[in-house]
Amino acid sequence: QLQLVQSGAEVKKPGASVRVSCKTSGYTFTGHYIHWVRQAPGQGLEWMGGINPNSGDTKYAQKFQGRVTMTRDTIISTAYMDLSRLRSDDAAVYYCARDSTNTWYGGVDYWGQGTLVTVSS
Amino acid sequence: DIVMTQSPDSLAVSLGEGATINCKSSQSVLYGSNNKNYLAWYQQKPGQPPKLLIYWASTRESGVPDRFSGSGSGTDFTLTISSLQAEDVAVYYCQQYYDTPLTFGQGTRVEIK
Repeated sequence: QLQLVQSGAEVKKPGASVRVSCKTSGYTFTGHYIHWVRQAPGQGLEWMGGINPNSGDTKYAQKFQGRVTMTRDTIISTAYMDLSRLRSDDAAVYYCARDSTNTWYGGVDYWGQGTLVTVSS
Repeated sequence: DIVMTQSPDSLAVSLGEGATINCKSSQSVLYGSNNKNYLAWYQQKPGQPPKLLIYWASTRESGVPDRFSGSGSGTDFTLTISSLQAEDVAVYYCQQYYDTPLTFGQGTRVEIK
């Protein structure tokens, strides 16, 4: 069955970087864009950006430009999100999510289980 | 950026009664060339990722109970739960996918009265 399985929880110090992985299965990885969305504790959903797994092209929300990098490995059907220069307000659950199409504009149909990132000195 | 505004922020409904959540976008999410509204609704329960309920504003995702329905066009949308069940307690989000950055409403918490 279709799955997006994310890496485990992380605890990082301010200023450090974090990598979250999203291993997909049950569908053609290169046929659907991947979005990254985060949710701070008790807060709403915030789109960070995404990647076209076929070409590697990315789009990032302005807020994260210069701090976020999204990549993929098509051999193992896995997407990655790297966030650098972590601050306390980066503490959140980070989700990968599949677009229903091979565009940015199909809507998200499947989500990973989420990865909790804690930022604490 | 397209701003999505939901109302109310929370509501309490008796079991078996109906619930209505509104979502307004700061600009139209109706794409003229295909006449589709690029609007989705998600349900999120504590400790879980969001779950897709409705896409294209009114198309129910496979497996979603038919008590959930979506309506609206352009800038004004509604999610209706026709007869609230205990398992519907959750936070509901609208989202536009007409343009990037994808944006979400702030969420509406639905509780049992």
